[in-house]
Amino acid sequence: AQSVAQPEDQVNVAEGNPLTVKCTYSVSGNPYLFWYVQYPNRGLQFLLKYITGDNLVKGSYGFEAEFNKSQTSFHLKKPSALVSDSALYFCAVRDMDTGGFKTIFGAGTRLFVKA
Amino acid sequence: NAGVTQTPKFQVLKTGQSMTLQCAQDMNHEYMSWYRQDPGMGLRLIHYSVGAGITDQGEVPNGYNVSRSTTEDFPLRLLSAAPSQTSVYFCASSYSYADPTYGYTFGSGTRLTVV
Repeated sequence: AQSVAQPEDQVNVAEGNPLTVKCTYSVSGNPYLFWYVQYPNRGLQFLLKYITGDNLVKGSYGFEAEFNKSQTSFHLKKPSALVSDSALYFCAVRDMDTGGFKTIFGAGTRLFVKA
Repeated sequence: NAGVTQTPKFQVLKTGQSMTLQCAQDMNHEYMSWYRQDPGMGLRLIHYSVGAGITDQGEVPNGYNVSRSTTEDFPLRLLSAAPSQTSVYFCASSYSYADPTYGYTFGSGTRLTVV
């Protein structure tokens, strides 16, 4: 079965410092990976995705993610964190074992950016 | 363009009551789904639909019913509310269920409390 894991419940970073939110995955075929962000009292918003091609994927709000096939990881990164980046971040994988009907989400990582 | 609209935003039910959570999208998306979000557990799939007249169960379907009579609407029915159904519910849609390159568009959520 396909799965994703976010090993950190919370990440703390100072404003202006680089940030990394970790995600590892397990899939039986080609991985279709996504990052979503959830701001307080809001629904999830799409940030970026990896389908194929370049291992460094750029997304919204200055975020990027690095796909590493050998380490089965898809870590979310940003060179310089903003206080407004504080939110809950979800890694997700499209479950192609079931024909793509389902997306499996990680448990989420809460990011705190301190001014 | 409204995207995915969920109503109500908040609801308190007594144990044993029934209710319907509404979800509507105006993007002509063929795929729609319902997730529940619980602390530390991420998002869990309740039911999904790949088109009008077609629905299927997700990971946690017990106690919930769905129907999809039109492309736009995908209501979620709680048959007899239980305290274990206290959660935040999200409706999500996607242009294509078969093409894994498409991400999801989420509604803003319904916070349900069952007392």
